[in-house]
Amino acid sequence: KAGVTQTPRYLIKTRGQQVTLSCSPISGHRSVSWYQQTPGQGLQFLFEYFSETQRNKGNFPGRFSGRQFSNSRSEMNVSTLELGDSALYLCASSLGGQGASYEQYFGPGTRLTVT
Amino acid sequence: KQEVTQIPAALSVPEGENLVLNCSFTDSAIYNLQWFRQDPGKGLTSLLLIQSSQREQTSGRLNASLDKSSGRSTLYIAASQPGDSATYLCAVTGGSYIPTFGRGTSLIVHP
Repeated sequence: KAGVTQTPRYLIKTRGQQVTLSCSPISGHRSVSWYQQTPGQGLQFLFEYFSETQRNKGNFPGRFSGRQFSNSRSEMNVSTLELGDSALYLCASSLGGQGASYEQYFGPGTRLTVT
Repeated sequence: KQEVTQIPAALSVPEGENLVLNCSFTDSAIYNLQWFRQDPGKGLTSLLLIQSSQREQTSGRLNASLDKSSGRSTLYIAASQPGDSATYLCAVTGGSYIPTFGRGTSLIVHP
């Protein structure tokens, strides 16, 4: 079974631009979560989507948004990029349904650099 | 608000040693606890998942225990190898189903 895939793997953007990251979960997984990882703050939860609906949201500004498609693939968008948005963005999938273990499987990440 | 602490922050040991990594959490009302390893610049690899009703899980040279009442989990690595060098993170998931991660323990196993 294929793992979680993320595209692109690396991105360089300029302040003020916007960016879209993509995540394809493990087949059969309906929950997709997004995280931001930086040396200063560690791993921080952005949001989780389940069956095309945002189920949980972390404490990030509205510039960070996401969506999930009917095939469970998810995209994350960051608008008006700031230097502080430079980070490794990780996507994780899990079965996510009621009674599920909520075991998370992570993708390789997208390294975003904002200049 | 759940807080997760991992001690030590860094560890350097010679090959062959048995070692223990610690994870503590403040809210014992958890759904599960998961241990991961992360290689530099890479994603997280799941090592072990312990449900709240379980006390321990084992996989090969790894053993993770969970004591909810004291808010602690330990990851035991037997006969460490240079390939075990990585950062080890624990994540605690509570009733909100949002995992809270510790800052990790950076492990170096030298030959």
